[in-house]
Amino acid sequence: EAQVTQNPRYLITVTGKKLTVTCSQNMNHEYMSWYRQDPGLGLRQIYYSMNVEVTDKGDVPEGYKVSRKEKRNFPLILESPSPNQTSLYFCASSLFGRAGGSDTQYFGPGTRLTVL
Amino acid sequence: QKEVEQNSGPLSVPEGAIASLNCTYSDRGSQSFFWYRQYSGKSPELIMFIYSNGDKEDGRFTAQLNKASQYVSLLIRDSQPSDSATYLCAVNGRTKEYGNKLVFGAGTILRVKS
Repeated sequence: EAQVTQNPRYLITVTGKKLTVTCSQNMNHEYMSWYRQDPGLGLRQIYYSMNVEVTDKGDVPEGYKVSRKEKRNFPLILESPSPNQTSLYFCASSLFGRAGGSDTQYFGPGTRLTVL
Repeated sequence: QKEVEQNSGPLSVPEGAIASLNCTYSDRGSQSFFWYRQYSGKSPELIMFIYSNGDKEDGRFTAQLNKASQYVSLLIRDSQPSDSATYLCAVNGRTKEYGNKLVFGAGTILRVKS
């Protein structure tokens, strides 16, 4: 089944404790992206990757890191989480990701992160 | 000014009525427009996309695009209680050289009353 998977689905942690949220897709998509969703603010892009070893900042990259060593995986790293990073996080992928393109972004199930 | 604006709602319609959801965007160079549906606690799922001015129909859903007015809408005919969800408008913006930057509105909550 074609899908985007994320782990963990739920995570409660404390300020400053490094964490990684994994994202994997089995559709051979070139483009992957991380979003955070907060009430009233909608989905905001954190980082995206056009292909292996190619990543770039989205609208809200502060406090996050990513890597794209393999095409299928795009982990999100919080080196020193803070309470303002409490949010619902979505990973997404699409085939090519070119500007103006029509390829659909498929979303993972989401990771609800709480930082105390 | 937000790049993509939607009325947060909630928009309440009776079962069987037409629900009309609206979205405006600020970047005149935007080329692709998407409507996603998101149930509470779930991930967004694509309903429709549209690139050309005019209407595009898919079952009970019709997307309408007016690039001159920078306006895109979604009509849901014969609304059902199962259509109750948050509807997200997304616009394919431009990055430096290329890049699929989807800019989302905050979403409109739709409630269909039976």
